[in-house]
Amino acid sequence: GESVGLHLPTLSVQEGDNSIINCAYSNSASDYFIWYKQESGKGPQFIIDIRSNMDKRQGQRVTVLLNKTVKHLSLQIAATQPGDSAVYFCAENKNAGNMLTFGGGTRLMVKP
Amino acid sequence: NAGVTQTPKFQVLKTGQSMTLQCAQDMNHEYMSWYRQDPGMGLRLIHYSVGAGITDQGEVPNGYNVSRSTTEDFPLRLLSAAPSQTSVYFCASGTTPGITEAFFGQGTRLTVV
Repeated sequence: GESVGLHLPTLSVQEGDNSIINCAYSNSASDYFIWYKQESGKGPQFIIDIRSNMDKRQGQRVTVLLNKTVKHLSLQIAATQPGDSAVYFCAENKNAGNMLTFGGGTRLMVKP
Repeated sequence: NAGVTQTPKFQVLKTGQSMTLQCAQDMNHEYMSWYRQDPGMGLRLIHYSVGAGITDQGEVPNGYNVSRSTTEDFPLRLLSAAPSQTSVYFCASGTTPGITEAFFGQGTRLTVV
């Protein structure tokens, strides 16, 4: 079936280090892949998206990499800060349509 | 700018009761949607709308009804609550087609006993 999933449920990093959160997908028809951040007690917040015809996209302190050969998506956070502690979800949009499909989430914990 | 506002924030229902979760947005977005989030899991789409008078089903629509009479409001109705509907419900809005950046409300934590 079609799915968006994550490799690791919890990732613990030292403040100042770089973080890499991974996501595997099986639906090759998706047009967009997206990363969301959810802090405790809040709704998810959009971080960055990447179109399926791109390999890399950079934002402020974040980089998303898309490897279509192995159907793998990753979010890299540079110089991780305590405020980055949250659950991160990957999501996909198929055929530039009206449905976002979310994966299961990875919790990022930043140690001071 | 309030963004997406959900009410109530918390609700306890008895099995069989009905209620409406409210969602309002002030960003003039055509697209609005409802998700549920169960513990330790991702979000699953219940219903969505691409404009006033237009609604469609998501992944898990059973037990829920929606309507969209205005651009601003998108209420979610539970006609006969069941314990399986205990969850955190999120409303989101954005622009279409090709929704990627959805703006989420703070959520409604619903417990059905």
